[in-house]
Amino acid sequence: AQSVSQHNHHVILSEAASLELGCNYSYGGTVNLFWYVQYPGQHLQLLLKYFSGDPLVKGIKGFEAEFIKSKFSFNLRKPSVQWSDTAEYFCAVNANTGFQKLVFGTGTRLLVSP
Amino acid sequence: GAGVSQSPSNKVTEKGKDVELRCDPISGHTALYWYRQSLGQGLEFLIYFQGNSAPDKSGLPSDRFSAERTGGSVSTLTIQRTQQEDSAVYLCASSAGLAGTYEQYFGPGTRLTVT
Repeated sequence: AQSVSQHNHHVILSEAASLELGCNYSYGGTVNLFWYVQYPGQHLQLLLKYFSGDPLVKGIKGFEAEFIKSKFSFNLRKPSVQWSDTAEYFCAVNANTGFQKLVFGTGTRLLVSP
Repeated sequence: GAGVSQSPSNKVTEKGKDVELRCDPISGHTALYWYRQSLGQGLEFLIYFQGNSAPDKSGLPSDRFSAERTGGSVSTLTIQRTQQEDSAVYLCASSAGLAGTYEQYFGPGTRLTVT
């Protein structure tokens, strides 16, 4: 069965610090990969996605993620975080097999202090 | 346009009672999903509807859980004989097509508390 691991459950950073959130998945075939974000009091929303092509994907608000197939990883990065990036971040994978569901990680709570 | 809406936003029920949770997807979206988010857990897939196809019920945790989608639009998730472990936030999402290709738009969720 597919699974997604997010090893950092809580991350605390100061503004302007760099961010990297880890995401690893277990599935040997072709995958589509996603990062979703949930800001305080708001709905989950898509941050970025990878289907194919350039493994470095740009998303909204300066976020990017890199797909490294050999490591089964899709880590999220941002060079300089802002207080407004405080949120919970979820990595998700869809195995491109026809199963029409996303498998989510347990999430990482990011707190950015001003 | 309106996003995905869910009702009620909060539901407190006694153990053993039945509950119904409602989801109104974005108009025109053919796919609808239910997830459950428990404290400290990720989003757990429950059930998926796509157009007129048979739903994918593979994530339902027990036969106390069921869901319907009427007319290809509104969906209702029913939990019978609720247990305390059913306490969670139940999220609904819709998308214009297949999960692997189209963004899922999430509703605000229903927080269910079973006492």
